[in-house]
Amino acid sequence: NAGVTQTPKFQVLKTGQSMTLQCAQDMNHEYMSWYRQDPGMGLRLIHYSVGAGITDQGEVPNGYNVSRSTTEDFPLRLLSAAPSQTSVYFCASSYSSGLNTIYFGEGSWLTVV
Amino acid sequence: SQELEQSPQSLIVQEGKNLTINCTSSKTLYGLYWYKQKYGEGLIFLMMLQKGGEEKSHEKITAKLDEKKQQSSLHITASQPSHAGIYLCGADKGNTPLVFGKGTRLSVIA
Repeated sequence: NAGVTQTPKFQVLKTGQSMTLQCAQDMNHEYMSWYRQDPGMGLRLIHYSVGAGITDQGEVPNGYNVSRSTTEDFPLRLLSAAPSQTSVYFCASSYSSGLNTIYFGEGSWLTVV
Repeated sequence: SQELEQSPQSLIVQEGKNLTINCTSSKTLYGLYWYKQKYGEGLIFLMMLQKGGEEKSHEKITAKLDEKKQQSSLHITASQPSHAGIYLCGADKGNTPLVFGKGTRLSVIA
């Protein structure tokens, strides 16, 4: 049981490049979400999904795109990377909303130069 | 929108000392999660609190949710270097993902 798997773990991008952060879970969870973590800011929600085919914006969605074509996968796309997107990105999943254990991936460290 | 304030922002304690971290919400909490993050690593689930007045313990860490369900505290007894890291509280809003506080950075010195 792999849990929540994020790839890549580390990535350096040039300004203007695009890339996709992958997130996969093998627990048949309906809820998946992406957060970014910046120093002194805690975790801020970027996008989330309550099921395949359904996505919604979080607190800081600009510059990011998501899709949920399967229950297992929830990729995060950076359309045109900017230095302000240098951050640590975490994917999370849970069975449903409400009080369930929420599982986090190990994080993806992204640097945009 | 739900806002969570954590205090203190950072904390340096001597090994063996007790400490408390607070998480205060601007709204009634449906549920409150505590996570620990070691520097440069992912989040480790500590505890989830739902009911007002609820208290849970795991090893030397105890978390409480007050009766009015607007504040939670995390208490560490006899701190050890292994307790060092960032502690994050997350609020359950019922139908959207967790909203997190900004975290408390804990350092434990010998």
